[in-house]
Amino acid sequence: QLVLTQSPSASASLGASVKLTCTLSSGHSSYAIAWHQQQPEKGPRYLMWLNSDGSHSKGDGIPDRFSGSSSGAERYLTISSLQSEDEADYYCQTWGTGIWVFGGGTKLTVL
Amino acid sequence: QVQLQESGPGLVKASETLSLTCTVSGYSISGAYYWGWIRQPPGKGLEWIGNIYHSGNTYYNSSLKTRVNISVDTSKNQFSLKLSSVSAADTAVYYCARGGTGSYLVFDYWGQGTLVTVSS
Repeated sequence: QLVLTQSPSASASLGASVKLTCTLSSGHSSYAIAWHQQQPEKGPRYLMWLNSDGSHSKGDGIPDRFSGSSSGAERYLTISSLQSEDEADYYCQTWGTGIWVFGGGTKLTVL
Repeated sequence: QVQLQESGPGLVKASETLSLTCTVSGYSISGAYYWGWIRQPPGKGLEWIGNIYHSGNTYYNSSLKTRVNISVDTSKNQFSLKLSSVSAADTAVYYCARGGTGSYLVFDYWGQGTLVTVSS
């Protein structure tokens, strides 16, 4: 079964960096994913897709502060030089044959 | 710039059918992309409901499959969601989104969402 697992919460200080993790279920470690950001009271915003080899491509207007990387079944989203507007929920998303799946989301708090 | 806008009743009675429409601008819905519906119950995460391909092929979340129907109207550049026999558990913000093409089936453009409340 295709499942994405995310930690419920994370925190980091203003100006620092943070690395969020999305883990693919067993047998699915080669899958690509996407990262989405949802700021408070707003709809989701597409950030990037990310391959198993760490190659990624960002959506329109996404700052260079956002980057992606991969290791095995884990997919990472790194946000550098954290700003207050980065405080949001972050969701990973993947797809299979006739199925699309979201992770449970990570709530990022900027201290 | 691709834009999506959801529309439909904000209040639906329990046991009735929820109907929403997504109007797409800036891109022809007849292009080779998937188009999808996603929902988010209050205070919870995102749940994929289903997708439709430009050809009309549909794909549904297995947990909702018996109650969901997604259709496309290329003449109006719209696609629609119908969810039957609703209950309070279907109260959520409903989003439409473009669901990707080729090897990358990512939701790359989203609507602003519309809150649907199921009343008893």
